[in-house]
Amino acid sequence: GESVGLHLPTLSVQEGDNSIINCAYSNSASDYFIWYKQESGKGPQFIIDIRSNMDKRQGQRVTVLLNKTVKHLSLQIAATQPGDSAVYFCAFTRGNTPLVFGKGTRLSVIA
Amino acid sequence: DAGITQSPRHKVTETGTPVTLRCHQTENHRYMYWYRQDPGHGLRLIHYSYGVKDTDKGEVSDGYSVSRSKTEDFLLTLESATSSQTSVYFCATTHREGGNEQFFGPGTRLTVL
Repeated sequence: GESVGLHLPTLSVQEGDNSIINCAYSNSASDYFIWYKQESGKGPQFIIDIRSNMDKRQGQRVTVLLNKTVKHLSLQIAATQPGDSAVYFCAFTRGNTPLVFGKGTRLSVIA
Repeated sequence: DAGITQSPRHKVTETGTPVTLRCHQTENHRYMYWYRQDPGHGLRLIHYSYGVKDTDKGEVSDGYSVSRSKTEDFLLTLESATSSQTSVYFCATTHREGGNEQFFGPGTRLTVL
């Protein structure tokens, strides 16, 4: 697959443990935030999103937390599985402007 | 998966040659985007389209042009490819800009020798 993550920060987690991936954003006016998962050789896939009027949103095994005070976004993955190994990107936008993507974090699950 | 295909999936070309990448969608989404992805840079927006014949520049548009003559097709052209344009290119679509999920295609790996 494409080697798009050669210099990414890496998070290594034991299978079954919880994972927390963090993202900082710079524009305090950002009002929409989204997490993507990218497996090797594939395009990014939507995981979960959140709007600025919320602090927390839960999906299946995933939770996104938004702290607007410190401009911080996090993705929590419960009971991490080998299939969760991938590169995770946050993205954000304000109004109708295109998404801006973070540089990504590689999650490596240790079986 | 949203119905987004990209062609070709892999291409090797020489410096100075023109290259066109195609993105095709079957979702009838209004907005389409071209990104490039490079190690250490994440996804960077090249150009985007907000309707047929309506396009705008993104963060890294120099050396690229786009065209959208039909809702379903968005073409990215490198008029004269350079080695710095070696990258993985992704197309994305959404039915509404801004606060809305984008769906991505499988990517095109382009190598410029």
